[in-house]
Amino acid sequence: QVQLVESGGGVVQPGRSLRLSCAASRFTFSSYAMDWVRQAPGKGLEWVALISYDGSNKYYADSVKGRFTISRDNSKNTLYLQMNSLRDEDTAVYYCAKPGSSGRYDAFDIWGQGTMVTVSS
Amino acid sequence: DIQMTQSPSSLSASVGDRVTITCRASQGINNYLVWYQQKPGKVPKLLIYAASTLQSGVPSRFSGSGSGTDFTLTISSLQPEDVATYYCQKYNSAPLTFGGGTKVEI
Repeated sequence: QVQLVESGGGVVQPGRSLRLSCAASRFTFSSYAMDWVRQAPGKGLEWVALISYDGSNKYYADSVKGRFTISRDNSKNTLYLQMNSLRDEDTAVYYCAKPGSSGRYDAFDIWGQGTMVTVSS
Repeated sequence: DIQMTQSPSSLSASVGDRVTITCRASQGINNYLVWYQQKPGKVPKLLIYAASTLQSGVPSRFSGSGSGTDFTLTISSLQPEDVATYYCQKYNSAPLTFGGGTKVEI
């Protein structure tokens, strides 16, 4: 069964950094673009970032542009999100998500269980 | 950037009712529109993609329609297990913006 497992969440002070990981299994990870989506407590879903299958193209939400970096290691079937200069408003559950097809853009058919990031002093 | 606006933000209906949720894009997105269901405390689940294609395993009481800027999710006969928040999302290009969500209650 296709699976995504996030890790790396925790409590961090404002201005500090954190790196999230998403381990993929049971599908050809290197053939798919991948995304990060977040959800603040009690709020809706917010798309965060997308990386193409080979890492050559990256796209970000305006709210994280210049602070967050999406990357991947296809040899390890792992997606990353480096989060710098964290703010209170970055507090959220962070999900990695897989598009349904190997094109750049598609609906997310598989989601991880999420990892909680809390930014607080 | 294209904005996605859902309405209503919440609704309450009875079991067996027909429920309709709308999603409007600020610019045309053809049919690159997906609907997700998120039950309390759970991960979002893909219901309908390409505006009207039912994901495998999703009950047939769910349907989607629309193209361009106006889209609709319909639950033909609301069931207790349909209590959830429903989100639309565009996926024609980045940013892959979500609508604000519609909370459905019984």
